[in-house]
Amino acid sequence: GAVVSQHPSRVICKSGTSVKIECRSLDFQATTMFWYRQFPKQSLMLMATSNEGSKATYEQGVEKDKFLINHASLTLSTLTVTSAHPEDSSFYICSAPRGQGPHQPQHFGDGTRLSIL
Amino acid sequence: AQKITQTQPGMFVQEKEAVTLDCTYDTSDQSYGLFWYKQPSSGEMIFLIYQGSYDEQNATEGRYSLNFQKARKSANLVISASQLGDSAMYFCAMREGTGTASKLTFGTGTRLQVTL
Repeated sequence: GAVVSQHPSRVICKSGTSVKIECRSLDFQATTMFWYRQFPKQSLMLMATSNEGSKATYEQGVEKDKFLINHASLTLSTLTVTSAHPEDSSFYICSAPRGQGPHQPQHFGDGTRLSIL
Repeated sequence: AQKITQTQPGMFVQEKEAVTLDCTYDTSDQSYGLFWYKQPSSGEMIFLIYQGSYDEQNATEGRYSLNFQKARKSANLVISASQLGDSAMYFCAMREGTGTASKLTFGTGTRLQVTL
């Protein structure tokens, strides 16, 4: 069964709206979570690393004020796309490593398809 | 330079046949991990198999095996006895270092189509 839950799965909204996406680890604690963006027929691009209790680490070229990340608990990270515009339309997906050790894979949520009209 | 290279944008394989999806990587770290994920059209990322840089044996997981050639820096995924449900995008990814909080770098993916 799923170990990472992501909600909502799909969002369609008007330009200028802010959209919040939640990522939850279901039966484990995750001090670190990752947020990716994927354009159609392209690979996953890491946007930021979400750190519980501290500021997120953003990848080069990702606007911090545009993509707000909050990791207030050990099981929940949120990504808020502020004042979204059509160019923000994309597939957003989160992940979290479960357990210790380098062999542990990152488990992904099911993703959120964001469409800005 | 690309850290993960998948040179096959698309592959076709007949049902019940085996197929190899190529992946080469570039790192100067001694400790790293290599992962393969499957992404169906619905979008979720499904973890398939893992190979650690210090693992001496090739990883296997059911019908999936990883052909790890460290000197050549390649980590090809082999799918045996292909099934129609294997049709999907496949991504090779690398994590450098030993920390679980280390980020993954993904290749561009290979779209596999299994035919009757």
